[in-house]
Amino acid sequence: DAGVIQSPRHEVTEMGQEVTLRCKPISGHDYLFWYRQTMMRGLELLIYFNNNVPIDDSGMPEDRFSAKMPNASFSTLKIQPSEPRDSAVYFCASRRLGTGDSPLHFGNGTRLTVT
Amino acid sequence: SQQGEEDPQALSIQEGENATMNCSYKTSINNLQWYRQNSGRGLVHLILIRSNEREKHSGRLRVTLDTSKKSSSLLITASRAADTASYFCATVGMDSSYKLIFGSGTRLLVRP
Repeated sequence: DAGVIQSPRHEVTEMGQEVTLRCKPISGHDYLFWYRQTMMRGLELLIYFNNNVPIDDSGMPEDRFSAKMPNASFSTLKIQPSEPRDSAVYFCASRRLGTGDSPLHFGNGTRLTVT
Repeated sequence: SQQGEEDPQALSIQEGENATMNCSYKTSINNLQWYRQNSGRGLVHLILIRSNEREKHSGRLRVTLDTSKKSSSLLITASRAADTASYFCATVGMDSSYKLIFGSGTRLLVRP
């Protein structure tokens, strides 16, 4: 089991550019979550999917952010246009369907820097 | 938005000592989980305690839960330098959303 795989590990871009972050969840997991981590705001849940369907996107900060899950093995988080305040570490996590007891498995994150 | 707060924000202890971290949350929960994060890495699940449980053990970890006070504590006994990391509590609400909301974390430094 390779775990949750995120790419790229680091992304540096200029303000106004489009950024796409990618995630491959663990095979067989039904839920996929996107979190953002900053020193000021901690870990924030942005959006999560169940069986590839977005369930709750109330944490997505603004319309510049969008997420898709075209199939069970791939998800993207896109920021267009990017702004310096989007600089953060973005984590993808997955879990197996269950009663709520199954733990989250996190990727190692993408560190985004917008200059 | 964060569900809870953790205390202390930072903790520095000597190897061999015990480390206690506390977590408070705001709404009723289905379960509470503790995660660990090493620098530059993703979070790793440590232990889960259900709302009808009061205490749980796993190796050197002991977790307690007081639902009347909406609080939990994580005790790491006989700490090691390798325990240096940030520790987060996360709660799953009583609804069926299955989403985890994380606390602010405690940064633990274990000095050799």
